[in-house]
Amino acid sequence: AQSVTQPDIHITVSEGASLELRCNYSYGATPYLFWYVQSPGQGLQLLLKYFSGDTLVQGIKGFEAEFKRSQSSFNLRKPSVHWSDAAEYFCAVAATDSWGKLQFGAGTQVVVTP
Amino acid sequence: DADVTQTPRNRITKTGKRIMLECSQTKGHDRMYWYRQDPGLGLRLIYYSFDVKDINKGEISDGYSVSRQAQAKFSLSLESAIPNQTALYFCATGVGVTDTQYFGPGTRLTVL
Repeated sequence: AQSVTQPDIHITVSEGASLELRCNYSYGATPYLFWYVQSPGQGLQLLLKYFSGDTLVQGIKGFEAEFKRSQSSFNLRKPSVHWSDAAEYFCAVAATDSWGKLQFGAGTQVVVTP
Repeated sequence: DADVTQTPRNRITKTGKRIMLECSQTKGHDRMYWYRQDPGLGLRLIYYSFDVKDINKGEISDGYSVSRQAQAKFSLSLESAIPNQTALYFCATGVGVTDTQYFGPGTRLTVL
């Protein structure tokens, strides 16, 4: 069965420290991959996406993600977090032959401490 | 103005009532979606529409219905609301061969 896993439900990080959020998927072929962020009381905002080509993808707000086919992973990183990065982050996956079937992970809540 | 708007933003209702959640978009996208979000479960797809004449069930469509009134409008109805439909509901639009999706601000629905 197809699945998307975000192993970390909650992460606490100090302001200025680096951040890495994990995402693993189980699909028959390389899917389209997305990271979204949900700030408190807000909708979901697209951070970045991977379709093909360069496996290191740059997004908005200083985030990047790396696709690793051998590990079926698409981890999100930021070198230095800001207090405004406190939010919930969702990895999402879609099969390349299946429009409308965006599957989300359960989310990782990020808390930023001073 | 926001590209994807949802009304109402918050709603409290009682068991058995009929509820309609509305979504409008100015992005010009043909594809529209309704999701619900529950803590610890991420977002799950309720219904989706690829154009005005195309409606498809998603993962959790039981207890819900939709109407695509125009390219820009997609409504979600709960014919007889029940407490376990208490959730945060999101509308989204999709575009491109990769179907990148853009989300509205959400509607928080509470069914008592």
